Amino acid sequence: GAVVSQHPSRVICKSGTSVKIECRSLDFQATTMFWYRQFPKQSLMLMATSNEGSKATYEQGVEKDKFLINHASLTLSTLTVTSAHPEDSSFYICSARDGDTYQPQHFGDGTRLSIL
Amino acid sequence: LAKTTQPISMDSYEGQEVNITCSHNNIATNDYITWYQQFPSQGPRFIIQGYKTKVTNEVASLFIPADRKSSTLSLPRVSLSDTAVYYCLVGVRTGFQKLVFGTGTRLLVSP
Repeated sequence: GAVVSQHPSRVICKSGTSVKIECRSLDFQATTMFWYRQFPKQSLMLMATSNEGSKATYEQGVEKDKFLINHASLTLSTLTVTSAHPEDSSFYICSARDGDTYQPQHFGDGTRLSIL
Repeated sequence: LAKTTQPISMDSYEGQEVNITCSHNNIATNDYITWYQQFPSQGPRFIIQGYKTKVTNEVASLFIPADRKSSTLSLPRVSLSDTAVYYCLVGVRTGFQKLVFGTGTRLLVSP
C-alpha cells in the first residue's frame, strides 16, 4: 500500500538552530502534501498545505517565515523550522495523497522535535 | 468543513466489541466520513471510510444512519493493541482536501 516516510524521526537540538524535516511518498506521486503539528495529549493541527511547484498555503496563525515549506518534486516535501525555540518543540507529521482522488491520505510516522 | 463531536475517552476489555459514535450535524451532501487510528508517537492510520449505510473491512465496520448526522465505528473483539486514539473526520472525498482533526476518542483496552 501507499507509504509516506518522514525523516528524521527524532531531533534534539539547541535553541536557535534551524531544523529540516523531510516527507517522502515512497510509491506514489503526491502533488499535494500536508504538514501537521501535535502537542502532547492534543489533536493534530494543520499547519500548511504543500503544493508541488508552487508556494505553500499556510493556516491562520502559522508563520510562513518560521516554517519554511519546499515541495520541489512529486515525492518530496520539506519543512524547515527556522531559528527553533523551545516552544517549537512538538510532534510534526506530514501526510500525502495519491493522485487518485478517492484514496485516503496517508501519514508519515512523525518527527519528534525537541529544542533545548 | 463539518465539525465532529466524539466522546473524549472510552474504556473496554479484551474481546469486547467497541462502538465509538461521532456526531456531525452539519455534514454536507458531498461529505464522506473517515476514521483514523493513532498510536502514541506515530502518525494516524486510515481505518475506514463511508458515505451511507454500512461499510465493513477486515478491521472495522462503519454504520451511518439515513440522516448521516452521526456515524458509529465498530471494532469487533478488541485487543490490547487497539488501545489508541480514534479520530472521526468529515469532508469531501476529493484528492487534495485538507483534513481537520477533532479531539478524537482515547480508547483504553484492559486485560
